[in-house]
Amino acid sequence: QKEVEQNSGPLSVPEGAIASLNCTYSDRGSQSFFWYRQYSGKSPELIMSIYSNGDKEDGRFTAQLNKASQYVSLLIRDSQPSDSATYLCAVNRGSNYKLTFGKGTLLTVNP
Amino acid sequence: GAVVSQHPSRVICKSGTSVKIECRSLDFQATTMFWYRQFPKQSLMLMATSNEGSKATYEQGVEKDKFLINHASLTLSTLTVTSAHPEDSSFYICSARVSGVGTNEKLFFGSGTQLSVL
Repeated sequence: QKEVEQNSGPLSVPEGAIASLNCTYSDRGSQSFFWYRQYSGKSPELIMSIYSNGDKEDGRFTAQLNKASQYVSLLIRDSQPSDSATYLCAVNRGSNYKLTFGKGTLLTVNP
Repeated sequence: GAVVSQHPSRVICKSGTSVKIECRSLDFQATTMFWYRQFPKQSLMLMATSNEGSKATYEQGVEKDKFLINHASLTLSTLTVTSAHPEDSSFYICSARVSGVGTNEKLFFGSGTQLSVL
């Protein structure tokens, strides 16, 4: 059973702080890893993708991947109230883009 | 980025009726589209993979006769929920794969359809 596990939260951080979101996956054959942001009642929006071990930075967002530990994380620096949403971790084994999603972590950034 | 248009955004129907949801790629050709279902506070669950010009591939546990998928062109895929029942009430989301080279491949989501079956 391929699974993607996330802490459902809610994770609450003050405005300006760093939010840290974590995800573990069970399929060692996973090759592609994604973080999506989903506002309530809306479809997911791609935030970051990462394919290699290490860090990948894009603006206020940094994705970290550790394939040996089967762990991927997302850091959001200088968190803003507009970052309040559910963050979905998704993994893909091959190149067919059949993603397996976690249940998501609800992030609340307090003004 | 690429735009995927999904329609309708919300539908309320009576039990036993059929509902069609459309998913269009507006500025690119999508050879592959995916259909997901999401229940409240749950993850997106892949229902089926739709390939242009061929039969859809359904995930285990998804009834292909109940969820009819048609991908007749490179820009349009439809999901028809036949004889809908209250337990089919859910958020249905399509996504389209934009082919590229290696890590340039991307997946874009439609805006979703909230189906409520009375």
